[in-house]
Amino acid sequence: QQQVKQSPQSLIVQKGGISIINCAYENTAFDYFPWYQQFPGKGPALLIAIRPDVSEKKEGRFTISFNKSAKQFSLHIMDSQPGDSATYFCAARSLLWGGGADGLTFGKGTHLIIQP
Amino acid sequence: DSGVTQTPKHLITATGQRVTLRCSPRSGDLSVYWYQQSLDQGLQFLIQYYNGEERAKGNILERFSAQQFPDLHSELNLSSLELGDSALYFCASSSTTSSYEQYFGPGTRLTVT
Repeated sequence: QQQVKQSPQSLIVQKGGISIINCAYENTAFDYFPWYQQFPGKGPALLIAIRPDVSEKKEGRFTISFNKSAKQFSLHIMDSQPGDSATYFCAARSLLWGGGADGLTFGKGTHLIIQP
Repeated sequence: DSGVTQTPKHLITATGQRVTLRCSPRSGDLSVYWYQQSLDQGLQFLIQYYNGEERAKGNILERFSAQQFPDLHSELNLSSLELGDSALYFCASSSTTSSYEQYFGPGTRLTVT
C-alpha cells in the first residue's frame, strides 16, 4: 500500500526533446508528491512538487501532471538539455494522525540521459 | 547546496562494528529525517525526529537508532553491522513536522567489509 511505482527505469532523449517519467501510487492518504533530481555522488535535490488539489504545476521547463482518479502523476521536462542527465525520483508523503508527516516514499528512480 | 551537512562523507568499517553518522539540519529547521539508499532497495525512509522527539518510523532495523540533540543536530547509530548495511545514508530536514519540502544533505557512504 505504501509503494510508489516509477517508470521507465532508464530513458534516453535527444537534446531539445521532451522527457516524460511516470509514477503511480495506491495509498489514497498521500497528500504531497515531489520530484527529486540526483546527480552521481550528490544527495537528492527537490525539483518540483504538487498537491492533489491541482492537476498541473509548471516551473520553467519542468511540469508535473497529476491525475487523482487514476492515482498517477508524471514529470515532463521540456527542451531537455544534456545538463538534465541525472536520476529522477518521484515520491509521495502522507500525513500521520495528529498532523505530523511521515517520511517520503520514493519510486525506484529513472536514469535519464540526454544525448547532445 | 541544500544547507544540510553530513559527516563523515565516507566510512569503511568491518562487520560487527558500530558507527555513528552525524547530520546538521538547515538553519531553523526543527525536523530531521534519515534515509537509506541502496541499489536493491532504493531510497527508504528510516526515521524522523522533530525538535528532539521521535515522530515517525519507517523501515529502520532494531540494530539502528537515532537521536536529535538540543542544538537540533542528529545522529544515526548503526550497530552489529552486516555487509548488507553498506549503502548511502542521507539526512533531510524540514522546517516543521508537517512541512512539505524536505532538503537532503550530501550523504554518508558506508562500506561494511
